[in-house]
Amino acid sequence: EVPLLESGGGLVQPGGSLRLSCATAGFSFSSSTMTWVRQAPGKGLQWVSTISENGRGTYYADLVKGRFTISRDNSKNTLFLQMNSLRAEDTAVYYCAIWATSSYALDVWGQGTTVTVSS
Amino acid sequence: SYDLTQPLSVSVALGQTARITCGGYNIERKNVHWYQRKPGQAPVLVIYRDANRPSGIPERFSGSNAGNTATLTISRAQAGDEADYYCQMWDGSSAIFGGGTKLTVL
Repeated sequence: EVPLLESGGGLVQPGGSLRLSCATAGFSFSSSTMTWVRQAPGKGLQWVSTISENGRGTYYADLVKGRFTISRDNSKNTLFLQMNSLRAEDTAVYYCAIWATSSYALDVWGQGTTVTVSS
Repeated sequence: SYDLTQPLSVSVALGQTARITCGGYNIERKNVHWYQRKPGQAPVLVIYRDANRPSGIPERFSGSNAGNTATLTISRAQAGDEADYYCQMWDGSSAIFGGGTKLTVL
């Protein structure tokens, strides 16, 4: 059983929108802080956004603030990332990850979904 | 904003010890985590809170943090340790990653 499975990536034109999903299983999703991290081609890991267990606390990197929205559905054990006004520089593999209260680190990661922003 | 500085690359001979550094102002006051990322695979946490190993990570991986430098040490380096390694910390409500270090095992 894969604990984290991202989907929703694809090719989109600049200015377009995509909604990423992260289906989870095998752990207490509703008790877990969740995070999106991305990696652009040839670049390093970059934090995108974090959401608290109940969804009331949301945090964004400056580069995506105002364009991306993180959310969650605890009844469906699913994490989302709504991405609007996409730019070429948003092209990356997007990972969802669990932030563990025991380690204060991102201790489980999904395999990622690829987003390509290009005309 | 807070910056974490890593060397672009580190090379180590097979069986020897590799040290990957992560520099930041007074980084010793932060909890530093380390991730390993191999091509085509998801990142894996190898050290958390400076010096702790998650279950399943070999004892060859260790970490330290003092002054302005956190260090990931890989003893008895193996070919399978070739990967990119990233340090990471939380600055308030933001996560910060170092630029990553490519480890080559010769």
